[in-house]
Amino acid sequence: QVQLQQWGAGLLKPSDTLSLTCAVYGGSFSGYYWTWIRQSPGVGLEWIGEINNSGSSNYNPSLKSRVNISVDTSKKQFSLRLSSVTAADTAVYYCARRGKTFDSGGFIEFWWFDPWGQGILVTVSS
Amino acid sequence: DIQMTQSPSSLSASVGDRVTITCRASQSINNYLNWYQQKPGKAPKLLIYGASGLQTGVPSRFSGYGSGTDFTLIISSLQPEDFATYYCQQSYNTPRTFGQGTKVEVK
Repeated sequence: QVQLQQWGAGLLKPSDTLSLTCAVYGGSFSGYYWTWIRQSPGVGLEWIGEINNSGSSNYNPSLKSRVNISVDTSKKQFSLRLSSVTAADTAVYYCARRGKTFDSGGFIEFWWFDPWGQGILVTVSS
Repeated sequence: DIQMTQSPSSLSASVGDRVTITCRASQSINNYLNWYQQKPGKAPKLLIYGASGLQTGVPSRFSGYGSGTDFTLIISSLQPEDFATYYCQQSYNTPRTFGQGTKVEVK
């Protein structure tokens, strides 16, 4: 059973860089995209971006200029860095696996997020 | 970005009730629609993928329907452990987007 465990600093000052890491236990690291999602009361659930074991990444355009997601396949870990944080970046940050299931015909891929990490509350405050 | 709109934002129900939650996409997403359940202080949990596929381990009282822009999550007989917030999410394109959530509360 795949489990994700995440860690990182929970209290930042404006203009700091947010840094979080997620480790994958009990399953394959290859063949999936590894994802960061955040949740705040004002915005709700927001997809930040993803990376696969080869280092191919995709980012939310709204955050792309400040986000970097990296991967360490030897440790089965992936990391999020978000620069120049403001109070608007205060949220619970989750890591998750983007998995897929084929339809009955075997041609259509359905992508989904499961499992998720436990979440980390990151607060940006002066 | 594809906007996902859920209704209602909250509802009150009793154990044994049939509960229906709807999700509408701002453009057609075929059936690239997932449903998640989130309990307070916990991460979301996948219930339904591909609009109607039941994730392994999820009780059969949960079902999903729809295609195009309109989707429905149905809980056929609400159980005490089902009081939670439910989110839809489109996997048609990036950025992946979520609905704002529907909170199912005790009546």
